[in-house]
Order: sequence, then C-alpha cells, then structure tokens
Amino acid sequence: GENVEQHPSTLSVQEGDSAVIKCTYSDSASNYFPWYKQELGKRPQLIIDIRSNVGEKKDQRIAVTLNKTAKHFSLHITETQPEDSAVYFCAASRKGGSEKLVFGKGTKLTVNP
Amino acid sequence: NAGVTQTPKFRILKIGQSMTLQCTQDMNHNYMYWYRQDPGMGLKLIYYSVGAGITDKGEVPNGYNVSRSTTEDFPLRLELAAPSQTSVYFCASTAPLRDKLGNTIYFGEGSWLTVV
Repeated sequence: GENVEQHPSTLSVQEGDSAVIKCTYSDSASNYFPWYKQELGKRPQLIIDIRSNVGEKKDQRIAVTLNKTAKHFSLHITETQPEDSAVYFCAASRKGGSEKLVFGKGTKLTVNP
Repeated sequence: NAGVTQTPKFRILKIGQSMTLQCTQDMNHNYMYWYRQDPGMGLKLIYYSVGAGITDKGEVPNGYNVSRSTTEDFPLRLELAAPSQTSVYFCASTAPLRDKLGNTIYFGEGSWLTVV
C-alpha cells in the first residue's frame, strides 16, 4: 500500500522567513496530494491540494510543487506569520477508487515573532 | 449544511467497556472514513465505506467495527476497550468524482477518547 514520508518533523522559523516541508510517496498510482493544517485541538483543515496533472499550484503565500518522477511534493509558505504556527500534514490518495488518504506524520511549524 | 458531525466530543472509558462513536454527514457523500490520531502523530485510517452497505478495513482496524446502513451515518464501535485505543478519532467524508481528479475530504471536529 501507499506510504508517505514527511520531513522535517519540527521546523522553527522567524516571522517573515519562508518555510518548506517535503513529502515523498511510494505508490506511483497516487494522483491527488492535499496539505492539511491542524491547530491544537482542532480538526485538520485543507489548505491547498495538487493533482498529478500539474507541477505547481499557488494560493497567495502558499504553494505546492509536485515531482511525479521522483515521487515527492513540497509545501512552501512565504512571508510566514505567527498564525501560521500549527502542525502541517501531507497526504496522498489514488482518485477513482476509494479516495482514501494516507497521511504523513506531520510537521510542527513554529513561527517566532 | 452542518457538514460532518461526530458525537461524543469527549469520553472516558474503563478497560473492557464498549461504546459507539457516532458520525453523520448531510452532504450526501458516498464515501466516509474513520481515522485515529495518536498524540504527536499523523492520522491512520481505521475503516472506510464507499457507500451504504459497503465497508472495508484500513491500516489499523483491530478492535473496531463499523456499519453503514444509510448514506448519512457511519458509526464506529469499540468492543472491549483497551488503553491502546486512547486517541482522537476523526470521521470524514467526500464525494467521489470518477471523471475528475481530486475532491475535498471534510473532517468532523473529532472525538477525544481515553481508556483507563
């Protein structure tokens, strides 16, 4: 089955700096890669996703890139703000089947003012 | 729409007790899922369902059972609770798009379960 590895497990940056979180996946049939943000005690919230037919997607300060050949995808957050502090999870799934998501273990991002 | 609703939000169980976590969605989604999240960890799939009357095991199904008698409801049953089942449980749902790639998965607010 699918296996998703996520790095780093913790990341601390200064406000205004950029943050990058990387994930690799094992199943070449996976074709949908969402990123979730989870604040303490809350449910995961989708922040951006990418399909396998595109290489990059941007939404204001957040971008995701996908390299299908290498089977890895990354989340980029620019101009970080303290409210970006949270745990971020990457996930992968194969659309057209059960749509079930396999999650990475998460990255705890701390943005220091 | 209320989205995905889970109950209870918090529960303390004694070892060996049984309980059911309720999950209902009002978005007419075919697909529903139960995940558990241990402290500091990612989400692991327990069971999922692609439609009423159909259920299947995920990564960590042992100690749990599910049923899907209606499109809206997907209860998770814990039989003979064990301390290893102390976790946060999330129910989720989505609608399949067979002719397109990708669709948002909606999560419930979570159920915090402690087994002592």
